[in-house]
Amino acid sequence: AQSVTQLDSQVPVFEEAPVELRCNYSSSVSVYLFWYVQYPNQGLQLLLKYLSGSTLVESINGFEAEFNKSQTSFHLRKPSVHISDTAEYFCAVSPLRGGYQKVTFGTGTKLQVIP
Amino acid sequence: ETGVTQTPRHLVMGMTNKKSLKCEQHLGHNAMYWYKQSAKKPLELMFVYSLEERVENNSVPSRFSPECPNSSHLFLHLHTLQPEDSALYLCASSPNGAYEQYFGPGTRLTVT
Repeated sequence: AQSVTQLDSQVPVFEEAPVELRCNYSSSVSVYLFWYVQYPNQGLQLLLKYLSGSTLVESINGFEAEFNKSQTSFHLRKPSVHISDTAEYFCAVSPLRGGYQKVTFGTGTKLQVIP
Repeated sequence: ETGVTQTPRHLVMGMTNKKSLKCEQHLGHNAMYWYKQSAKKPLELMFVYSLEERVENNSVPSRFSPECPNSSHLFLHLHTLQPEDSALYLCASSPNGAYEQYFGPGTRLTVT
């Protein structure tokens, strides 16, 4: 079984400031790691994922996340946020397997970018 | 455009009504999912269909009844719901063997 902990339910940050959204997980098996973003009145969209290889993964809009196996963390960072980054961010894990994916999500962190 | 559509986007129903939620994906995926999203709770996986066969049913009450007539369509039939069933219901799909899911915009359900 897996679990995901996002300790911060809301993170306010000023525009152009850096941000870190924290994610810790626990699992008895190896997992894949994901960050999804949900904009108001929309479904979730995949932001980035870690499957294997380099522990630092990046998205096309400037976010990055680093897989830390010893700390079982997958924190999301952006060096300079924009108003359009205001959304809810979900960390998620799924076991290494093919076929359909049984994904476990965290409770989400609402990022509020203040102009 | 995610390629996963859901209708209706909003639904208000009484506890004695019967309604259905519809999900359609045009991505050629083999797996489809229903999730329930409630405030301050993690997304709850309700059902998974893989190759049109139900493979997961996470202790969902029988007042929720899924149907997957083909790989592109997924329904959630609702009857005699309770107010605590009010939530955003999200549909998702994924290719077989892939590691990410594609979500629809959801149906906001209110049970009165």
